[in-house]
Amino acid sequence: DTGVSQNPRHKITKRGQNVTFRCDPISEHNRLYWYRQTLGQGPEFLTYFQNEAQLEKSRLLSDRFSAERPKGSFSTLEIQRTEQGDSAMYLCAISLRAYEQYFGPGTRLTVT
Amino acid sequence: GESVGLHLPTLSVQEGDNSIINCAYSNSASDYFIWYKQESGKGPQFIIDIRSNMDKRQGQRVTVLLNKTVKHLSLQIAATQPGDSAVYFCAETDYSGNTPLVFGKGTRLSVIA
Repeated sequence: DTGVSQNPRHKITKRGQNVTFRCDPISEHNRLYWYRQTLGQGPEFLTYFQNEAQLEKSRLLSDRFSAERPKGSFSTLEIQRTEQGDSAMYLCAISLRAYEQYFGPGTRLTVT
Repeated sequence: GESVGLHLPTLSVQEGDNSIINCAYSNSASDYFIWYKQESGKGPQFIIDIRSNMDKRQGQRVTVLLNKTVKHLSLQIAATQPGDSAVYFCAETDYSGNTPLVFGKGTRLSVIA
């Protein structure tokens, strides 16, 4: 158990719909990261938070993507107007120390 | 851009044998490396890490070797078990945590019973 839960675990949506994923660390950690993973590839960084502040965003994070971390605890990742290319596993990770990252189970998104 | 890559995409080993998974990295500024194990339908699981001021680190049945001269990492698994079957990723970053993890494509390890 890495201390990170993600919901939902699976999401199937039609192209053009909006989806929102949630990441809940069991206890508070300063840093929270979002990654995207497509089949057969390693996770790719999307964005990360230090407490409530979103400190870095990858160029993979298009304008249709938005992430929040109100109160510095849980985080949400929203994708607007989903496209088939958004189909992937979305992973949340937390830092216990600045350099170590522990991943949640992920949310599998399928856009039809 | 700079990235982490793996030499072998698949590896099959007999149960009880030792496994070696290799990884090359290209960012000379990286000073912290992590091996993750990922089972089907799950998130990556931290296995072992190493800082650039070390060339070897041992855990339980696992050893990571770092060769900074040739920018090469390896993960050695002793007495491989069926439960070790998974995809293994190496990842690089800097020890400050200010740089996101950069992952390679992964090596699938299949253990033959």
